[in-house]
Amino acid sequence: QSALTQPHSVSGAPGESLTISCTGTNRDIGGYDFVSWYQQKSGQAPRLIIYDVDKRPSGVPDRFSGSKSGDTAYLTISGLQAGDEADYYCCSYAGGDVPFGGGTKLTLL
Amino acid sequence: EEQLSESGGGLIQRGGSVKLSCEASGFTFNIFAMNWVRQAPGRGPEWLATISGSDGSTYYADSAQGRFIISRDNSKNTLFLHLNSLRADDTAVYYCAKVERPYVDWQTAFDVWGHGTKVTVTS
Repeated sequence: QSALTQPHSVSGAPGESLTISCTGTNRDIGGYDFVSWYQQKSGQAPRLIIYDVDKRPSGVPDRFSGSKSGDTAYLTISGLQAGDEADYYCCSYAGGDVPFGGGTKLTLL
Repeated sequence: EEQLSESGGGLIQRGGSVKLSCEASGFTFNIFAMNWVRQAPGRGPEWLATISGSDGSTYYADSAQGRFIISRDNSKNTLFLHLNSLRADDTAVYYCAKVERPYVDWQTAFDVWGHGTKVTVTS
């Protein structure tokens, strides 16, 4: 069982915006500002898209944004594109552990 | 370009051992903590272990403690993971991954991943 809880799936139409939640505890998300998000397409390794809650690595479009409130982190994707279809995983530093979420499958309608 | 490339996976009998390797290129290897993360079929990633850049400090998930050993050879820009007493639930793709900031041991985020090496534990 994953330590961080994500919705199993989300869907949206091209051009729309959607938000994926990631719920933890005060021992992980609520305790540190080291939340990261990864995009994984079929057969590929995970790709870092958000780190330190809301920072984007070089090359990641600003359509991807992150935030946190209490023990829950959020990934928002605006202007959905066909290439955004993938699995998305959250992750948090937890003082000696590094839990991931179980993943959210994003489907475009 | 920063790159990681794993090798060493395959079919391993239950109870057996295997040593995975990860060759790094395109960055100053010895200033970054390095990690192993695995992903079982249909599951999310699972962090296993971290080794610091220079002093060799190691950190393990409970699932890896006592059975897996992480090590590195900075002279060869190579990371290792020795897996022992393998069980069926160790079947997964094993990735090496780099921490995104230098000179820290904290697993803040993983910004470079290899392509993974598949380990299948057979009975």
